[in-house]
Amino acid sequence: SQTIHQWPATLVQPVGSPLSLECTVEGTSNPNLYWYRQAAGRGLQLLFYSVGIGQISSEVPQNLSASRPQDRQFILSSKKLLLSDSGFYLCAWNYAVSEKLFFGSGTQLSVL
Amino acid sequence: GQQVMQIPQYQHVQEGEDFTTYCNSSTTLSNIQWYKQRPGGHPVFLIQLVKSGEVKKQKRLTFQFGEAKKNSSLHITATQTTDVGTYFCAELNYGQNFVFGPGTRLSVLP
Repeated sequence: SQTIHQWPATLVQPVGSPLSLECTVEGTSNPNLYWYRQAAGRGLQLLFYSVGIGQISSEVPQNLSASRPQDRQFILSSKKLLLSDSGFYLCAWNYAVSEKLFFGSGTQLSVL
Repeated sequence: GQQVMQIPQYQHVQEGEDFTTYCNSSTTLSNIQWYKQRPGGHPVFLIQLVKSGEVKKQKRLTFQFGEAKKNSSLHITATQTTDVGTYFCAELNYGQNFVFGPGTRLSVLP
């Protein structure tokens, strides 16, 4: 069966520090991968999505970046975090763009 | 890009009462999905609707897609405390990815 792993579960980082969140999917090949951000009590904002290795589409211009170094690995990064980067970050995957999304358990990021 | 509106933002009901959340789009939708997110959890897929006027049921949950494919609703009959959470609709954005509505947060008082 397919599983999605996302870590860490919680992270507290100072303003200006770098960020690296990792997401991996097991049990499938060539998944579509997504990074969403959710502010407290709010909806989900799509940040990046990828349909293949090295293919990244950005939905919101900001100081975050994403990379897909391997088929089932998706990484969210920042060189310098801002206070506004705080939020709940969710990785997700699906078989095809029109199919249901499977979400990871999320990373709660607090930038102080 | 496309925008999805969802109402109400919050809903407080007494256990046993019914609950409905509505999702509206400014454009015709190719399909729509519904997700549930429990407090502190991650969104979990509930259903996908693709046909005009489609109605699907999952136990006490009834999902409907409008005839014009511009709106959708989720109705819960006789709510239980296990129904607590935020319900999101999501629409396919130009065939590339899903855009989520702001969600409806449901509280159920025992």
